[in-house]
Amino acid sequence: QVQLQESGPGLVKPSETLSLTCTVSGGSISSYYWSWVRQPPGRGLEWIGYIYYNGNTNYSPSLKSRVTMSVDTSKNQFSLKLTSMTAADTAIYYCARFDYGGFGYFDYWGQGTLVTVSS
Amino acid sequence: DIVMTQSPDSLAVSLGERATINCKSSQSVLYSSNNKNYLAWYQQKPGQPPKLLIYWASTRESGVPDRFSGSGSGTDFTLSISSLQAEDVAVYYCQQYYTTLYTFGQGTKLEIK
Repeated sequence: QVQLQESGPGLVKPSETLSLTCTVSGGSISSYYWSWVRQPPGRGLEWIGYIYYNGNTNYSPSLKSRVTMSVDTSKNQFSLKLTSMTAADTAIYYCARFDYGGFGYFDYWGQGTLVTVSS
Repeated sequence: DIVMTQSPDSLAVSLGERATINCKSSQSVLYSSNNKNYLAWYQQKPGQPPKLLIYWASTRESGVPDRFSGSGSGTDFTLSISSLQAEDVAVYYCQQYYTTLYTFGQGTKLEIK
């Protein structure tokens, strides 16, 4: 059974950079697309971007200027960096896997990590 | 961007009764070359991540009870729960994957009446 686990700081100061890592267990990171999705408290879901195991990326246009994703296949991990954080970026951040065909629906999700932006 | 709009925002249904949630996309998510609707449904319970229920608008994910069904095509879709159980209380989201700017509906909160 594939499992995803997010890790990273729960508190980030305004203007700083958020760094999160998702560790994949129970399966290989290879041959799949991996995404980050966020959810402000009490609100809906927003797709941030995806990275393919070979390093190809696609980011949401609304966040593209601030987002960088990377993958480490040797560690079965992928990561998110989001710069210039503001209070509007306070959210639960989920990592998730695309279906095997890479069509774009999410079949496995991490439990999520709450990131609060505050000084 | 394809905007996904769900209705209603919240819904209260009696146990054992049918629950119906609608999702409308601002443009068609039916891909003509394969005749597939690029539409998924998720269930999110409090404190949990979303769980995939339905993909290709009507294909149930493995392990999802058959009381959950999806229908519709083009721009109008429906998630139905044939006989509501207590464990179905959750927020339900639709998502389109027709474009590589993946978007979700705002969610529908389902409660017991």
